Amino acid sequence: NAGVMQNPRHLVRRRGQEARLRCSPVKGHSHVYWYRQLPEEGLKFMVYLQKENIIDESGMPKERFSAEFPKEGPSILRIQQVVRGDSAAYFCASSPITNTGELFFGEGSRLTVL
Amino acid sequence: GIQVEQSPPDLILQEGANSTLRCNFSDSVNNLQWFHQNPWGQLINLFYIPSGTKQNGRLSATTVATERYSLLYISSSQTTDSGVYFCAVGFQGGSEKLVFGKGTKLTVNP
Repeated sequence: NAGVMQNPRHLVRRRGQEARLRCSPVKGHSHVYWYRQLPEEGLKFMVYLQKENIIDESGMPKERFSAEFPKEGPSILRIQQVVRGDSAAYFCASSPITNTGELFFGEGSRLTVL
Repeated sequence: GIQVEQSPPDLILQEGANSTLRCNFSDSVNNLQWFHQNPWGQLINLFYIPSGTKQNGRLSATTVATERYSLLYISSSQTTDSGVYFCAVGFQGGSEKLVFGKGTKLTVNP
């Protein structure tokens, strides 16, 4: 999977806590995407970011979810006040500057909300 | 709306059999990728194939963009091929995101 690094791989939170998921794209890739996979379902697009910019957040829930991709450091997907329905696998993908090219996915972060 | 449909939804094979998985999509595309999600949840790139034919070992894929479908062929299947196969499509004029189908769940029995 071409070097997209996600951490943590597994995260357990109690209802009301915050979850932070991190994604380091393939070196040299400037486009980052976050997807969510609910149990027994396919992946659903959440947000597309370039360095310091949110390009498309049409798949993000309106409340409690936010994402950033700072000039330095990994992309962060933040979920505030988690609820049980947030339990899912969250996948990050990156692509090179030619942004109609192939996306490379990380191994995912699995969030469990108790 | 934009649709990506995969068939069959479930497939059970004996080891050594061949299979064809299909992906139909509803609009012109600038990106099409096939993925294998193994039983541990890892998502593995198989092919980046917006058009044409590619082969990698026992797997090959063909996309006929003008007819809006793609096929994934698995020959001489092995138990390690089990998992879910996803087709994901990037549509022209649809931002840069991929739209995933619901997948084909493949089980290969020894």
